[in-house]
Amino acid sequence: DTGVSQDPRHKITKRGQNVTFRCDPISEHNRLYWYRQTLGQGPEFLTYFQNEAQLEKSRLLSDRFSAERPKGSFSTLEIQRTEQGDSAMYLCASAGLASEQYFGPGTRLTVT
Amino acid sequence: EDQVTQSPEALRLQEGESSSLNCSYTVSGLRGLFWYRQDPGKGPEFLFTLYSAGEEKEKERLKATLTKKESFLHITAPKPEDSATYLCAVQAEEYGNKLVFGAGTILRVKS
Repeated sequence: DTGVSQDPRHKITKRGQNVTFRCDPISEHNRLYWYRQTLGQGPEFLTYFQNEAQLEKSRLLSDRFSAERPKGSFSTLEIQRTEQGDSAMYLCASAGLASEQYFGPGTRLTVT
Repeated sequence: EDQVTQSPEALRLQEGESSSLNCSYTVSGLRGLFWYRQDPGKGPEFLFTLYSAGEEKEKERLKATLTKKESFLHITAPKPEDSATYLCAVQAEEYGNKLVFGAGTILRVKS
């Protein structure tokens, strides 16, 4: 069990650019989640996959955000036309048969 | 209206000084209440899951308890390495599969 991994760990981008993050879940986990966390707050849900199907998406998620999990393994989160308000830690979590979600180390996004 | 509220926002303890962190929730159809530890710049680390009122879980110096409206994380004789942010989250029928987090309690333990 190597845990959840995320890449990159840090990303600095200019406003208006597109960015893509990758998450590799724990290998036997079929459920995958994306959360966003800003300073001083708890993680906030963005979207949820069961295998390759995207089953839930936050109403707070703008159309600039899109996520995929094409083969039910790794997932990508893309943000188009980044804004300064997108600066945050983006966290990925995975879960198996049990309810516990295990988090990766996160990708810290800074939009300048 | 916040569904999950943690208190205090920050807590400073001397090494060995026991205390408790509180997590209150206002959701219906609770499926589980989760405690996580988060170190600066890292992802949350899973600690406990509690499913029903009266349930208790222990791990080293930490003990989590659950009632119908709140959960406590008791820290017995803390050490400096227990310093971290402790997050509480709920999973409920009204939320589907996602976790709804509180803002966390920042714990600092001084030697």
